[in-house]
Amino acid sequence: AQRVTQPEKLLSVFKGAPVELKCNYSYSGSPELFWYVQYSRQRLQLLLRHISRESIKGFTADLNKGETSFHLKKPFAQEEDSAMYYCALGNSGGSNYKLTFGKGTLLTVNP
Amino acid sequence: DTEVTQTPKHLVMGMTNKKSLKCEQHMGHRAMYWYKQKAKKPPELMFVYSYEKLSINESVPSRFSPECPNSSLLNLHLHALQPEDSALYLCASSHSRTGRYDEQFFGPGTRLTVL
Repeated sequence: AQRVTQPEKLLSVFKGAPVELKCNYSYSGSPELFWYVQYSRQRLQLLLRHISRESIKGFTADLNKGETSFHLKKPFAQEEDSAMYYCALGNSGGSNYKLTFGKGTLLTVNP
Repeated sequence: DTEVTQTPKHLVMGMTNKKSLKCEQHMGHRAMYWYKQKAKKPPELMFVYSYEKLSINESVPSRFSPECPNSSLLNLHLHALQPEDSALYLCASSHSRTGRYDEQFFGPGTRLTVL
C-alpha cells in the first residue's frame, strides 16, 4: 500500500522566515514524489516533482529515500506563498498507476 | 488551450435526480481522472481512463457512472446520490497514465450538493 503523511495541518510563519513543509511516504517500490499547491480560489496545480530537481518559486524538495521523506523548503517565505500544499506519491505500477495525496498543509505567511 | 474545463461549476440535486458532470481538455492528453474532494480533505481518486478505456475504478458505488466518449471528453453520470456524496468533484488529465512523472492538470471542479 502507498501512503503519504503530512504531519502539520497548519503552518504559520512570518514573511522572510524559512519554511519547511514535511512529507513522509510509505511505498515499497520506486516512488514518484510531487508537491501540488492550491492557492485561494485557484485550481490545484503542480509545484514541483522530485525528478526535476529544480527550484520553483524559490521552493525546493529533496527526496531522501533513507528517511522516506520529501520535505518542501523555501529559505525566505513570501505572503503570496500562502496556500494549501499537498504532497503526492505516484506508484510505479504500470497499468495500476495512481497518485495518492497527503492530507495537506495549509501554509499562512504573515506580513 | 492548456486548461481543463468542467461544467457546471455548481450543481444541486435531489436524491432521485439524474445529472451529469462534464470535463473537457484539448491538450492531447490520453489519461483522464475523476477525483472527489470533501471539504478540508485531499482529493481522492475515483476513476482513471487511459486511451478512452476505464483502467481504474477505486471501488466507487455504482450510482457514479463514468464515461469517456472521446479523447477530449470525460463525463460522470450521477443517479440516486446520497447527501454524503456532496463534495467538490475534480477532473484532471495527463499526457499518459503510465508515463513517469507526468503532471496532472486539474480542472476547477464542480461543487455538488445533494439534498
